[in-house]
Amino acid sequence: QSALTQPPSASGSPGQSVTISCTGTSSDVGRHKYVSWYQQHPGKAPKLMIYEVTHRPSGVPDRFSGSKSGNTASLTVSGLQAEDEADYYCSSSSDSGIIMFGGGTKLSVL
Amino acid sequence: QVQLQESGPGLVKPSETLSLTCSVSGGSLSSYSWSWIRQPPGKGLEWLGYIYYTGTTKYNPSLKSRVAMSLDTSRNQFSLNLSSVTAADTAVYYCGGPYQTRFDYLGQGTLVTVSS
Repeated sequence: QSALTQPPSASGSPGQSVTISCTGTSSDVGRHKYVSWYQQHPGKAPKLMIYEVTHRPSGVPDRFSGSKSGNTASLTVSGLQAEDEADYYCSSSSDSGIIMFGGGTKLSVL
Repeated sequence: QVQLQESGPGLVKPSETLSLTCSVSGGSLSSYSWSWIRQPPGKGLEWLGYIYYTGTTKYNPSLKSRVAMSLDTSRNQFSLNLSSVTAADTAVYYCGGPYQTRFDYLGQGTLVTVSS
C-alpha cells in the first residue's frame, strides 16, 4: 500500500489537458512544500518534472504544471502529446523525514 | 552535467547482503545528499534512504535495521548495503541526488534479483 494515493490510470486525446492527483495527509503533502513529480517511460529511469509543488527543472516543457490544495497535489499536462504517455509518480517529504512516493499513474494518450 | 551509474552484482542469494555502488561524474558529492530508490518489477517506486555528504543518514523505517549507506568522497562514490535479502528485495535499484527531497539526477538503474 502506497503512502500517497494516485489514480492508477488517466487518459486524454492529443492537445487536451489531463490532471493527475496525489493525495496524502497533513503530515506530508498538506504540510510540506517538497512535493515532486516524476515521469517514467518503460524501461527508463524516472525523470524529475516538477519540484517544490510548482517548479519546473530546466528543459521541462511548460505544458507541465503543478499545484497543491490541502492534502492533495496535482500535476497537469496541457496540450497532450504522444510522448507524454508514461507513468507518473508523485513524492513528498514528511514530518518523519522520509520521502514518500505515490503508487503511480499510467497516462495514456488516446 | 552530473551523471550517476550504479554497479554491483545482478544476482544475490537469499539471506545474503546486497551491495551496490553509485559512481558520480561531472560533480562532487560535497554539500549534497545522495539517495537510493528501488522499483520491484511492474511496481512503483520506494525510497530507501539518503546519505548526506557529512555521513549523516536517514533510512526508510520499513527496511528496519537491514540497510546501511556509506560514501567515499575520494572516489566520488556512495554505496548501499541491504542485508538478509529475500525475494521481496528483487527490484531495479536507482541511485539519485543531489537533494534530500528530490532527485534531479538518477542513474539508469540496475536490476538485482534475489534467488538461489
